[in-house]
Amino acid sequence: QKEVEQDPGPLSVPEGAIVSLNCTYSNSAFQYFMWYRQYSRKGPELLMYTYSSGNKEDGRFTAQVDKSSKYISLFIRDSQPSDSATYLCASYTGGFKTIFGAGTRLFVKA
Amino acid sequence: NAGVTQTPKFQVLKTGQSMTLQCAQDMNHEYMSWYRQDPGMGLRLIHYSVGAGITDQGEVPNGYNVSRSTTEDFPLRLLSAAPSQTSVYFCASSSRTVAGEKETQYFGPGTRLLVL
Repeated sequence: QKEVEQDPGPLSVPEGAIVSLNCTYSNSAFQYFMWYRQYSRKGPELLMYTYSSGNKEDGRFTAQVDKSSKYISLFIRDSQPSDSATYLCASYTGGFKTIFGAGTRLFVKA
Repeated sequence: NAGVTQTPKFQVLKTGQSMTLQCAQDMNHEYMSWYRQDPGMGLRLIHYSVGAGITDQGEVPNGYNVSRSTTEDFPLRLLSAAPSQTSVYFCASSSRTVAGEKETQYFGPGTRLLVL
């Protein structure tokens, strides 16, 4: 079993929809949780960085961590075609050995 | 301010050849790392460094060497290329606050490596 599991999709939504992207993890020692956006043939871009449980909001993006169920979510409000990308979740304990999910491909149709 | 640069962008190697993937950053970040990305596998950490002269192994270190003689540069060496090392390689640099509540991280554009 991978330490961080993520549905590869693809997920296709109409423009303006609320998108929900999810990951589960198995290592209860994970303390830091990240979401990245990766456009085709580009390097990942750090979108959200969260420590421990709770919500964090940045513009149209909300990251949510539920440590009791080992569940990580990213919500995108008012989705735009420019949000079409692969979204990767990642976690680490406090050192530098970051474990990534496989990524979910998102398509936002105009 | 160029961020994180990687060279080459694309490389074809024959089995058994060696090469060095270059990575440089101009943000004075103390932390640098190398990942490989394969279809369906996400990113996997190869090696990382927490400062000049300090490196450590990640998840998939076999077949790769690194060194960090300066803050700016973190080259990745393939000792004897194998077809299993065909992948896209990303270098990243980051900084964290002491308490770990904020991280700034940037990835390079990647090097696509094909080993025949």
